[in-house]
Amino acid sequence: EAGVAQSPRYKIIEKRQSVAFWCNPISGHATLYWYQQILGQGPKLLIQFQNNGVVDDSQLPKDRFSAERLKGVDSTLKIQPAKLEDSAVYLCASSFGTSGRQETQYFGPGTRLLVL
Amino acid sequence: AQSVTQLDSQVPVFEEAPVELRCNYSSSVSVYLFWYVQYPNQGLQLLLKYLSGSTLVKGINGFEAEFNKSQTSFHLRKPSVHISDTAEYFCAVTPFTGGGNKLTFGTGTQLKVEL
Repeated sequence: EAGVAQSPRYKIIEKRQSVAFWCNPISGHATLYWYQQILGQGPKLLIQFQNNGVVDDSQLPKDRFSAERLKGVDSTLKIQPAKLEDSAVYLCASSFGTSGRQETQYFGPGTRLLVL
Repeated sequence: AQSVTQLDSQVPVFEEAPVELRCNYSSSVSVYLFWYVQYPNQGLQLLLKYLSGSTLVKGINGFEAEFNKSQTSFHLRKPSVHISDTAEYFCAVTPFTGGGNKLTFGTGTQLKVEL
């Protein structure tokens, strides 16, 4: 079974530029998550989708971050414009069900973003 | 809201020695508990989880953890570590209800196994 795929793996941009990350979850997984992991910290949930609807985006900086999950499969996370403090690893995860409880999350390898 | 504290940011240990990585949590509701491992340049991999039942949970790669409700702890242990266990370990929680499966992570513990 293929795991969660993410691209690109690495990205270097200058501040005020835009960037987009792509995630393909495990086939059949209804729920998709985007986490931000800043160096020295644990991952922090940015947004959670259930199929193509948003379940939780309370920690997403909506003035610069946006995400979509068209057709309930792939997802894209965008930052526009980027700030220095956005330098982090962006992790995508997926889980099978929609019950919302005790579902194991499977993580992709992440996209490492450096903003100069 | 939930919070997770991993007091040890780094734990050096010699190969074949035992190790314990500490995790304490705070929550106003009951939670499920998890340990994830992150190898360099890789995503997180689930080591083990506590949902209910026996408080001693066994996971992959010889790791185990014990849930202590009175001390709100979920420490991770391994009786004999290997070089390949060098990685960062994250403790996480999610509430029984109302959390939508949202994971709250600790800041991680870097385990460095030396020869």
